[in-house]
Amino acid sequence: EDQVTQSPEALRLQEGESSSLNCSYTVSGLRGLFWYRQDPGKGPEFLFTLYSAGEEKEKERLKATLTKKESFLHITAPKPEDSATYLCAVHNQAGTALIFGKGTTLSVSS
Amino acid sequence: DAGVTQSPTHLIKTRGQHVTLRCSPISGHKSVSWYQQVLGQGPQFIFQYYEKEERGRGNFPDRFSARQFPNYSSELNVNALLLGDSALYLCASDGGLHYEQYFGPGTRLTVT
Repeated sequence: EDQVTQSPEALRLQEGESSSLNCSYTVSGLRGLFWYRQDPGKGPEFLFTLYSAGEEKEKERLKATLTKKESFLHITAPKPEDSATYLCAVHNQAGTALIFGKGTTLSVSS
Repeated sequence: DAGVTQSPTHLIKTRGQHVTLRCSPISGHKSVSWYQQVLGQGPQFIFQYYEKEERGRGNFPDRFSARQFPNYSSELNVNALLLGDSALYLCASDGGLHYEQYFGPGTRLTVT
């Protein structure tokens, strides 16, 4: 069964304190791994797509990496505005649905 | 360019009632997906429509139905509402199979 597990569930950082979020996945043939950012009460905002092991993508203070079993979202020198829930998802085998993890809620304090 | 739009923003219904949620995809996108997100969980897949045809369905009861119109907009219908249907309903559009999906702001449904 296709499955996505994210850890930790919650992460508290001081401004400037770098860290990583983990996304482990089990899927029959990866057809894309996606990272989203979600602010409270709003829809997820697309961040990155990764398709093959070894691939990396960067955007401002965020960097996503992919291995054969997991993905990491590295946050370098975070700011309070980076506080949000970060969701990881993979396509199901048919490519019709995204399977999401429960997310990691990041809080960055100044 | 306008993103995915959804209406209404918020909705309060009573158990047993029916609700219709609406979604307009990004211009040029022919595929629309619906997800349900309850507090503290990731979105759960309900339906995907492409060119007015149902292409995928998640593990939801038959009380949930959807359709897509010739202009690619979509409706999600839920009959005989239950308290457990209270959630944020998200619509997403994409440019094709295996492409990233772009989400709208969601409709917050509260069933009392």
